[in-house]
Amino acid sequence: EAQVTQNPRYLITVTGKKLTVTCSQNMNHEYMSWYRQDPGLGLRQIYYSMNVEVTDKGDVPEGYKVSRKEKRNFPLILESPSPNQTSLYFCASTTPSSNEKLFFGSGTQLSVL
Amino acid sequence: GENVEQHPSTLSVQEGDSAVIKCTYSDSASNYFPWYKQELGKGPQLIIDIRSNVGEKKDQRIAVTLNKTAKHFSLHITETQPEDSAVYFCAARDSNYQLIWGAGTKLIIKP
Repeated sequence: EAQVTQNPRYLITVTGKKLTVTCSQNMNHEYMSWYRQDPGLGLRQIYYSMNVEVTDKGDVPEGYKVSRKEKRNFPLILESPSPNQTSLYFCASTTPSSNEKLFFGSGTQLSVL
Repeated sequence: GENVEQHPSTLSVQEGDSAVIKCTYSDSASNYFPWYKQELGKGPQLIIDIRSNVGEKKDQRIAVTLNKTAKHFSLHITETQPEDSAVYFCAARDSNYQLIWGAGTKLIIKP
């Protein structure tokens, strides 16, 4: 089944403890992106990647890192999480042949205490 | 840069009635406007989109209209059903080919 898989679905952590949220897609998509969703603010882009080894900042990149060493994986790294990074995170992917349709993962609910 | 405003934030309609959600955008160069539906506990899914060379697009009970002069676009859902209850997001593509999203509309279908 074609899908974007995020792990974990839920994560509770403490301030300053490094964490990684994984994202993997099995559709051979070139483009991948991370968003955070907060009430009243919609989806805001954190980072995106047009292809392997190419990453760019989105609208809210502060406090986050990403890497794209393989086409299928696009992990989101929080080196020193803070409470304001408590949010619902989504990974998405697409390819030119999908006519710009974004395929989203099921989300990761992160709470930073 | 591009800015997208979406209204209303919550919309409650009787089952069988129509629902309309409106979005405005700021960048006149934007040329792609998708609508996504997010069901509880899931990621958003594309339901319909429109490009700037078209004024209206329909797909069964849903339609999207685009007014480039006024820089707004709307989602229309007719004959609403319980399964239409969800959060709906509009978006506009900016000059970097990234999507800028509205804040979302929670649609409630009353039985």
